[in-house]
Amino acid sequence: QKEVEQNSGPLSVPEGAIASLNCTYSDRGSQSFFWYRQYSGKSPELIMFIYSNGDKEDGRFTAQLNKASQYVSLLIRDSQPSDSATYLCAVNTGGFKTIFGAGTRLFVKA
Amino acid sequence: GAVVSQHPSWVICKSGTSVKIECRSLDFQATTMFWYRQFPKQSLMLMATSNEGSKATYEQGVEKDKFLINHASLTLSTLTVTSAHPEDSSFYICSAHLTSPGEQYFGPGTRLTVT
Repeated sequence: QKEVEQNSGPLSVPEGAIASLNCTYSDRGSQSFFWYRQYSGKSPELIMFIYSNGDKEDGRFTAQLNKASQYVSLLIRDSQPSDSATYLCAVNTGGFKTIFGAGTRLFVKA
Repeated sequence: GAVVSQHPSWVICKSGTSVKIECRSLDFQATTMFWYRQFPKQSLMLMATSNEGSKATYEQGVEKDKFLINHASLTLSTLTVTSAHPEDSSFYICSAHLTSPGEQYFGPGTRLTVT
């Protein structure tokens, strides 16, 4: 069974703090990893993707990938109330097949 | 990033009627598009994979005769909900797939309410 697991949360952090969102996946052959943000009532939007071990930074966001541990994370620095949303981890297992996690709800308290 | 549009953004229809939802990739060609459904406070549920010029591939439990998918061009896929019932009321979202590295760009979604 190919799965992507995320803690459903909610994860609550104060404004200005670092939010850490985690995701594990079961298929060792997975190629690419994505983080999406979904505001309530809206469709998901791509934040960033990563496919090599290590860190990838884009503004306040850092994606971290550890293929040996089958673990991918998203760090949000200087969290803002506008970051409050559900964050979806997605894993491409090859070809067109992408599996989404159920998402982690993040609340950033002002 | 790539832009995907959906039309309509919301629709209300009577039970027993059919509704067509369009999904367009505006600035790129997408040989593969996906259709999802999402109920309130639940996660995305993949309904089907739409491939240009061929039949769609439906996920287990999704009725292909009820949810008709047509991907007639590299920029347009349509989902038709036939003989809609109140339980079909949901948020329908399409996405277009880019081959490398495989990210999906989502349309804004269509909120369907069946009365």
